[in-house]
Amino acid sequence: GQQLNQSPQSMFIQEGEDVSMNCTSSSIFNTWLWYKQEPGEGPVLLIALYKAGELTSNGRLTAQFGITRKDSFLNISASIPSDVGIYFCAAYSGGGADGLTFGKGTHLIIQP
Amino acid sequence: NAGVMQNPRHLVRRRGQEARLRCSPMKGHSHVYWYRQLPEEGLKFMVYLQKENIIDESGMPKERFSAEFPKEGPSILRIQQVVRGDSAAYFCASSPQREAEQFFGPGTRLTVL
Repeated sequence: GQQLNQSPQSMFIQEGEDVSMNCTSSSIFNTWLWYKQEPGEGPVLLIALYKAGELTSNGRLTAQFGITRKDSFLNISASIPSDVGIYFCAAYSGGGADGLTFGKGTHLIIQP
Repeated sequence: NAGVMQNPRHLVRRRGQEARLRCSPMKGHSHVYWYRQLPEEGLKFMVYLQKENIIDESGMPKERFSAEFPKEGPSILRIQQVVRGDSAAYFCASSPQREAEQFFGPGTRLTVL
């Protein structure tokens, strides 16, 4: 089946630092998405990317859809304590494959 | 604007019992997706339904699991004769169209004793 390789698995950073995480696959996808999940809750959609090469921002978050359509990255600038959580990349093929394929997540831990 | 609602939030069952998980999509959404999440893992797609129809069940185990989305009322994920390996968080998502932007509910945490 399709798999997404997400890295790093966890990040321990200081408040105010920038964060970068990425997701790669051997398969081509039509849409890349980034979600954040906090303990005991469901994933919350942060950014959706629809075109190869697209760069999209949402506040301090910036994400890009790779040119090859096989990868994506998420950057968080000037991290703050409420950024703590698990960040998941997800990808969508469409064309009859309706489920999202998820990465295993990046645990972001911020030390004050 | 209420988001996706799931209940119960926590469910405890003994081996061999049935589990029924309910999902009410966001207002205006007629597309529902069910996912399962094991500890320290990403979500795994199970099934996609539109009103009264199962469209894609490629991720659904062949036995004991079933899903429905009736004309009236919430979508139901049913697990019969539960086993310990069914313990997981089950998430429902909805979308207004058949598309990638899926909005998730808070999940149901199933524990099988």
